[in-house]
Amino acid sequence: EAGVAQSPRYKIIEKRQSVAFWCNPISGHATLYWYQQILGQGPKLLIQFQNNGVVDDSQLPKDRFSAERLKGVDSTLKIQPAKLEDSAVYLCASSPVGDRFPEAFFGQGTRLTVV
Amino acid sequence: AQSVSQHNHHVILSEAASLELGCNYSYGGTVNLFWYVQYPGQHLQLLLKYFSGDPLVKGIKGFEAEFIKSKFSFNLRKPSVQWSDTAEYFCAVKGGSYIPTFGRGTSLIVHP
Repeated sequence: EAGVAQSPRYKIIEKRQSVAFWCNPISGHATLYWYQQILGQGPKLLIQFQNNGVVDDSQLPKDRFSAERLKGVDSTLKIQPAKLEDSAVYLCASSPVGDRFPEAFFGQGTRLTVV
Repeated sequence: AQSVSQHNHHVILSEAASLELGCNYSYGGTVNLFWYVQYPGQHLQLLLKYFSGDPLVKGIKGFEAEFIKSKFSFNLRKPSVQWSDTAEYFCAVKGGSYIPTFGRGTSLIVHP
């Protein structure tokens, strides 16, 4: 079974630039998550989709972050403009619907460095 | 609100030593509890999970965790660690309508 695919693996940008991350979840998984993991901390949920609808985006800094999942499969997360404190690993995860206790399957992540 | 606390940020053990990593959470209702592991250079993967039933949960690679409701704890254990257990370990909780919350992680180094 193919896992969650993310690209790019690494990105370095200057502050105030924009950046986008892409995620392809495991086939058939209706739920998709984007997490931000700052060095030395645990992953923090930014946004959760079920199919192409947003379930929770309460921790997404909406003034600069946006995410979409137009066809209920792939997803993109964008930051515009980036700040130094956005340096982190951005993790995408997916899980199936129908399991009352879904396990999230994680991708390798994208390491963003803002300079 | 819910939160997760992992008390040990860095643990160093020798092979064959026993391991116990602490995890406490704050949420008064029914919870789903997880332990995830991240080996060097790899993605996060599930070690074990609890949602109901037997409070002693068995996971992969000889790990187990015990849910103690009265203590709001879900500690991870392994009787004899191996060098290959060197990794970052994360406890996570999901209660009610709250979003999944992760602890800050524990870095485990096992010396051969």
